[in-house]
Amino acid sequence: DAGITQSPRHKVTETGTPVTLRCHQTENHRYMYWYRQDPGHGLRLIHYSYGVKDTDKGEVSDGYSVSRSKTEDFLLTLESATSSQTSVYFCAISPGGGTSGSNEQFFGPGTRLTVL
Amino acid sequence: DQQVKQNSPSLSVQEGRISILNCDYTNSMFDYFLWYKKYPAEGPTFLISISSIKDKNEDGRFTVFLNKSAKHLSLHIVPSQPGDSAVYFCAASAYNFNKFYFGSGTKLNVKP
Repeated sequence: DAGITQSPRHKVTETGTPVTLRCHQTENHRYMYWYRQDPGHGLRLIHYSYGVKDTDKGEVSDGYSVSRSKTEDFLLTLESATSSQTSVYFCAISPGGGTSGSNEQFFGPGTRLTVL
Repeated sequence: DQQVKQNSPSLSVQEGRISILNCDYTNSMFDYFLWYKKYPAEGPTFLISISSIKDKNEDGRFTVFLNKSAKHLSLHIVPSQPGDSAVYFCAASAYNFNKFYFGSGTKLNVKP
């Protein structure tokens, strides 16, 4: 199994509070991703990173920011949480590079976030 | 608008029979396709992939078929086993962009 962890695994917070989710990898993969999973929508990309300090927006980036100061860590921040951000959040990593087998993603166990 | 669609939210199959999960995409730039399997309370795990230069890829009981002209791919599981019961996601990317688009998933139930 790819070495990828997420913390916290569960969090309940109130509307308007800031929340930071952490993704940590031990695989030295270049690409890291944050997704949210919601019923009827599957997995939707929030933000991704293609290197230290290199990030880009995904499909549903509004209300979220990310930072990657080290290869192994990718942080997702909800500046002011809203009830619509209640979801399960998955981090994923990928070696990238455009070669065969490099497009596979390895997912973390997920973080269940509830915003009351 | 979703670029990758799985129009069947659920599928029920008898053990030993074939399971066929379908996926459609709209973006003609997609040239690499993947299937993931997800159990409850776990992250998705990679199952099988196919490049657009192929129309079929097989790995044990799992075969993925790609019809580029129809922008359609399917995952065949033969024979289906109760342990295959999970949610299956298809995903697509343009090969050099490392950005993935997922379908909404199909929940497969294999009955003993």
